Amino acid sequence: GENVEQHPSTLSVQEGDSAVIKCTYSDSASNYFPWYKQELGKRPQLIIDIRSNVGEKKDQRIAVTLNKTAKHFSLHITETQPEDSAVYFCAAIPPGTYKYIFGTGTRLKVLA
Amino acid sequence: DTGVSQNPRHKITKRGQNVTFRCDPISEHNRLYWYRQTLGQGPEFLTYFQNEAQLEKSRLLSDRFSAERPKGSFSTLEIQRTEQGDSAMYLCASSLTGATGNTIYFGEGSWLTVV
Repeated sequence: GENVEQHPSTLSVQEGDSAVIKCTYSDSASNYFPWYKQELGKRPQLIIDIRSNVGEKKDQRIAVTLNKTAKHFSLHITETQPEDSAVYFCAAIPPGTYKYIFGTGTRLKVLA
Repeated sequence: DTGVSQNPRHKITKRGQNVTFRCDPISEHNRLYWYRQTLGQGPEFLTYFQNEAQLEKSRLLSDRFSAERPKGSFSTLEIQRTEQGDSAMYLCASSLTGATGNTIYFGEGSWLTVV
């Protein structure tokens, strides 16, 4: 079945710097890759997603890139702010199903 | 609030007892998911429904876990004979039928502590 690996598990950056989180997936037929942000004690919330027919998508300070050949996708956050501190999860959807398989998460700390 | 609603939010139970969680999805959503999340881990898929049909169930889910969605609206997740390893947050999520990749929206979760 689909497996999603996420790195790093923790990431500390200075405010204003960029943060990059990378995920790899195992099923080459997966075609949808969302990213969720989870603040302490709260629900995971979608922040950006990408489909397999595009290589990059941006939304203000957040971008996601997809390399289908290498089966990896990355979240890029520029000009980080303290409110970006949270746990970020990537996910993939195996073909023939509608379930999301999540990565193990990256705890991002933005240091003021 | 018209988001996904879960209750109870917190449950402490003794080992061996049964517990039941309820999820009310966003009203027009016909897909409903249950996930389990432990500290430091990502949400782990348990099962999902499309309307009242349970379409997939994780092979990791023991027979002590059962989920229902009898009328295609709210869902319940029951854990029988709870064990300490069942302590986790149980997340419900919902989405609309459509092409793969319809956003799933999570509830706030139900925290279970088995003592």
